[in-house]
Amino acid sequence: EVQLVESGGGLAQPGRSLRLSCAASGFNFDDYAMHWVRQGPGKGLEWVSGISWNSGSIGYADSVKGRFTISRDNAKNSLYLQMNSLRAEDTALYYCAKDNRFYDSSGSLDYWGQGTLVTVSS
Amino acid sequence: QSALTQPASVSGSPGQSITISCTGTSSDIGNYNLVSWYQQHPGNTPKLMICEVSKRPSGVSNRFSGSKSGNTASLTISGLQAEDEADYYCSSYAGSSTSVVFGGGTKLTVL
Repeated sequence: EVQLVESGGGLAQPGRSLRLSCAASGFNFDDYAMHWVRQGPGKGLEWVSGISWNSGSIGYADSVKGRFTISRDNAKNSLYLQMNSLRAEDTALYYCAKDNRFYDSSGSLDYWGQGTLVTVSS
Repeated sequence: QSALTQPASVSGSPGQSITISCTGTSSDIGNYNLVSWYQQHPGNTPKLMICEVSKRPSGVSNRFSGSKSGNTASLTISGLQAEDEADYYCSSYAGSSTSVVFGGGTKLTVL
């Protein structure tokens, strides 16, 4: 059974940093691209960042480019999101999600974690 | 990276069919056959309903179908049921660097 478990969320002041983690199990983690998607309170889904199976291809939404860094450790079956210079508008539930295409990225996300809540407020 | 455009809401009666549109650009929907649709019930995580424009993942009802023409994709739900009431989001692969773009979401109400 595929499981994605996010952690690392919490309350942060504007300008501070947080690091999110996602522990994956139940599939060959190093065969698939992975993504972070967020959902602000009462809002829609927003893609944040994606990383290919071998970290060779990485992308970011314009809203987080230059502030957030995605990474993965295939040996630990883990995905990460380093979030710096946090802003109030980064407040959201952050989901870790698996791409459904083997090796390549299709942008179709077939498994999602339950999310970790990030609140940015002074 | 502009969001895809979806209607804010649609509604239909049980047994009817509804279609939700999703409009993008030649950089996303128009350039790739990699449109996905997600269903999200309140308080739940999104569920992949359609991938690659029209493919249904295992376990998804055949009442759900997808299509694409030019820069616009569509999700059709036939034989509406009460449990279909949810938010629906489209997304598209948007090119290099594993980029993805979502629509703003459509709230489906089953009358």
